[in-house]
Amino acid sequence: QLQLQESGPGLVKPSETLSLTCTVSGGSISSRSYYWGWIRQPPGKGLEWIGNIYFNGSTYYNPSLRSRVTISVDTSKNQFSLKLSSVTAADTAVYHCSRTIFGVVIVSAWGQGTLVTVSS
Amino acid sequence: QSVLTQPPSVSAAPGQKVTISCSGSSSNIGNDYVSWYQRLPGTAPKLLIYDNDKRPSGIPDRFSGSKSDTSATLGITGLQTGDEADYYCGTWDSSLSVVVFGGGTKLTVL
Repeated sequence: QLQLQESGPGLVKPSETLSLTCTVSGGSISSRSYYWGWIRQPPGKGLEWIGNIYFNGSTYYNPSLRSRVTISVDTSKNQFSLKLSSVTAADTAVYHCSRTIFGVVIVSAWGQGTLVTVSS
Repeated sequence: QSVLTQPPSVSAAPGQKVTISCSGSSSNIGNDYVSWYQRLPGTAPKLLIYDNDKRPSGIPDRFSGSKSDTSATLGITGLQTGDEADYYCGTWDSSLSVVVFGGGTKLTVL
């Protein structure tokens, strides 16, 4: 049974970098069948796609966040990570890691999500 | 404001049928497949429907999906109290070059 678990600080100061890691269990992050990614949901708002990465390092980012986002993969640890720089209060959200099939659109598995608050 | 429009809430009695709509445009629903997700209280979202009308293994046939032009619909028959959840639609938007989602619909089974 595939499980995705987010981890990282729940509080980040404005202008700093948000860093989260997703640990994948019950499946290999090196599989050629899947992409791995991040989706967030600000309080009271809808879901927002952040981006995806393939096992070979190819990345696909939301154009509105591209200048601040880096998604990377560590196949040795079966993990992938999100870094979002220069955060503001608008980046406060529940961040979900995800696995997608047939490209980056169909999310076949989601992590529970972790709340990250941007505040001084 | 979400790119895809869903009703904020729907409700129906146990055993009845309910439909949830997802409205978009020619650059998203009108141009690509639609997926549907269920988020039960306190749990991670789950894929219910992909490619407009396909169910992943393990999803009962009480759940169905359809698409027409720039709108998609999720149908749930034989409603159970365990179906109370938030439901989201999603697809690719070729104009924005992003995955887009609906704002979510809260289903209440009265």
